[in-house]
Amino acid sequence: EAGVTQFPSHSVIEKGQTVTLRCDPISGHDNLYWYRRVMGKEIKFLLHFVKESKQDESGMPNNRFLAERTGGTYSTLKVQPAELEDSGVYFCASSQDSRDRGNYGYTFGSGTRLTVV
Amino acid sequence: KNQVEQSPQSLIILEGKNCTLQCNYTVSPFSNLRWYKQDTGRGPVSLTIMTFSENTKSNGRYTATLDADTKQSSLHITASQLSDSASYICVVSQLPGGSYIPTFGRGTSLIVHP
Repeated sequence: EAGVTQFPSHSVIEKGQTVTLRCDPISGHDNLYWYRRVMGKEIKFLLHFVKESKQDESGMPNNRFLAERTGGTYSTLKVQPAELEDSGVYFCASSQDSRDRGNYGYTFGSGTRLTVV
Repeated sequence: KNQVEQSPQSLIILEGKNCTLQCNYTVSPFSNLRWYKQDTGRGPVSLTIMTFSENTKSNGRYTATLDADTKQSSLHITASQLSDSASYICVVSQLPGGSYIPTFGRGTSLIVHP
């Protein structure tokens, strides 16, 4: 089966610009998660979708971040306007089982490396 | 505060040697602990998962142990190969009723030299 696909793989933008990251989960996976790893830190949870609904968005850092999952298929994560501290690797993961937020069957994408200059 | 601490931060070993990575956690109430392998430029891939009642789990040359009383886990790699060079991440999840959000460690960077 196809894995979790993320694009772009890399993005370099200037401070104040807008960037949209996309994640295509494994087909049939209702649960979709966004994570972020800032340089030198651990991976941290951003939010969790069940189909098109936001189940938990407690990890979103501020209102410059907007995640959507229209139709319950792919998801986008928009950062507007981007700041220097937003630089990092953004991972998407999907799972079929939502028990303990899907940790039974997470499949991660390769991530999008975002650099804000 | 839920935390997952991993040691060492980095490790260099020769091909064919064994090594052990450590993970200490304060996540409570505990649900499961998972070890991931993350190759450079790729997403994390699950190696093992253990629940409260399990104290050892193997996946090929990888063997994870769990001591839920002391809140410690280890990942033992036997007969290391060059392809084992990667970051190994310990992730602990809470029981239902907790925040559900998994807590990640910062990982141990392993380099295997020929």
